[in-house]
Amino acid sequence: DVKVTQSSRYLVKRTGEKVFLECVQDMDHENMFWYRQDPGLGLRLIYFSYDVKMKEKGDIPEGYSVSREKKERFSLILESASTNQTSMYLCASSPSGAAYEQYFGPGTRLTVT
Amino acid sequence: KQEVTQIPAALSVPEGENLVLNCSFTDSAIYNLQWFRQDPGKGLTSLLLIQSSQREQTSGRLNASLDKSSGRSTLYIAASQPGDSATYLCAVNSGNTPLVFGKGTRLSVIA
Repeated sequence: DVKVTQSSRYLVKRTGEKVFLECVQDMDHENMFWYRQDPGLGLRLIYFSYDVKMKEKGDIPEGYSVSREKKERFSLILESASTNQTSMYLCASSPSGAAYEQYFGPGTRLTVT
Repeated sequence: KQEVTQIPAALSVPEGENLVLNCSFTDSAIYNLQWFRQDPGKGLTSLLLIQSSQREQTSGRLNASLDKSSGRSTLYIAASQPGDSATYLCAVNSGNTPLVFGKGTRLSVIA
């Protein structure tokens, strides 16, 4: 079974703090993705990566950065957390190729106060 | 730009009923379509993946169909149970771009 794990299920941070969200997959997938999910807005893509040390901006990259130093790990970084970044963050991975199936982690509910 | 729509946004049915969830997409040039389930506060669980060359896929009480030319997919749930209550999302893979998701249908199955 494909396993995608996220470092925390719940996280509470203060405004201005630097926040790291970690995602690890155990299936040697090339592609990894970070989304945020908010009521009424659905899933929105923040950043994705098709290989180690590669990153691509998604639909809403402002206020975020990412790091992919190893194939299995994809980190999302909030440089200076703000209250409008309170959200559910979801990580996903998939193999390379056009006909891929995507697998999600359990999510991190981040609250910025 | 690919857009994915799911109607209705919410659905409530009595236990035992058969039901259909709808997903439509604007660009028929897709590689596959994936249906997911999401329980409140949790991540997404993949239910079914239909490749563009397929018409349908089945898993237990679930059956997903795909009509690429008309830009539609349906998820059929037979003999619904309260445990089926969740949000169901469809996502379209158009090739070398990330999946495009619908906003989901929130299903409530009433005992």
